[in-house]
Amino acid sequence: QVQLQQSGAELTKPGSSVKISCKASGYTFTSYDISWIKQRPGQALEWIGAINPGSGGTGYNEKFKGKATLTVDKSSSTAFMQLSSLTPEDTAVYYCAMAVTIAALDYWGQGVMVTVSS
Amino acid sequence: DIQMTQSPASLSASLGETVTIECLASEDIYSNLAWYQQKPGKSPQLLIYYANSLNDGVPSRFSGSGSGTQYSLKINSLQSEDVSIYFCQQNYDSPFTFGSGTKLEIK
Repeated sequence: QVQLQQSGAELTKPGSSVKISCKASGYTFTSYDISWIKQRPGQALEWIGAINPGSGGTGYNEKFKGKATLTVDKSSSTAFMQLSSLTPEDTAVYYCAMAVTIAALDYWGQGVMVTVSS
Repeated sequence: DIQMTQSPASLSASLGETVTIECLASEDIYSNLAWYQQKPGKSPQLLIYYANSLNDGVPSRFSGSGSGTQYSLKINSLQSEDVSIYFCQQNYDSPFTFGSGTKLEIK
């Protein structure tokens, strides 16, 4: 079955960077785009961007350009998101997700809590 | 960016009641609208896609409707397990924006 397994929680300092992962299984990794979504505590969801694992092509929400960098490693069927120049406003749960069967996000990872604090 | 205005922000209803949540897009999104349910501490789960198509495994008491800029999610015969936050999302144009969410509680 399709699964997206994300890495563990991160505690980081302002100004630093963090790279979180999303390991895919149960399907051909290059078949579907992987999206990344941000959710601040008690807040709504924000679409950060998406990557095509086959081509490496990316699309970003303008708001997150320069903040998030999406990459993949096809050999391990893993997608990555690096967040740079972290501030407390980057404290959030970050999800990876895919639209496999339909034009909506029908598979989600469990989320990664990133906490930025001095 | 397409703005998604979701209402109400919170809702309290009794078991067995019918509730409706609405989403208004800032421009026509041609039914490219999804609804998600998020239970506390969990990832969002897809309920409805293309405005009115029920995702596999979702109870039939959930239904979606709408077109153009106006969409709604209806939950019939409210159950205790429906306590969640519900989000809409437009999938028509990047960035694929979400509504601000509706927190549903049981009276």
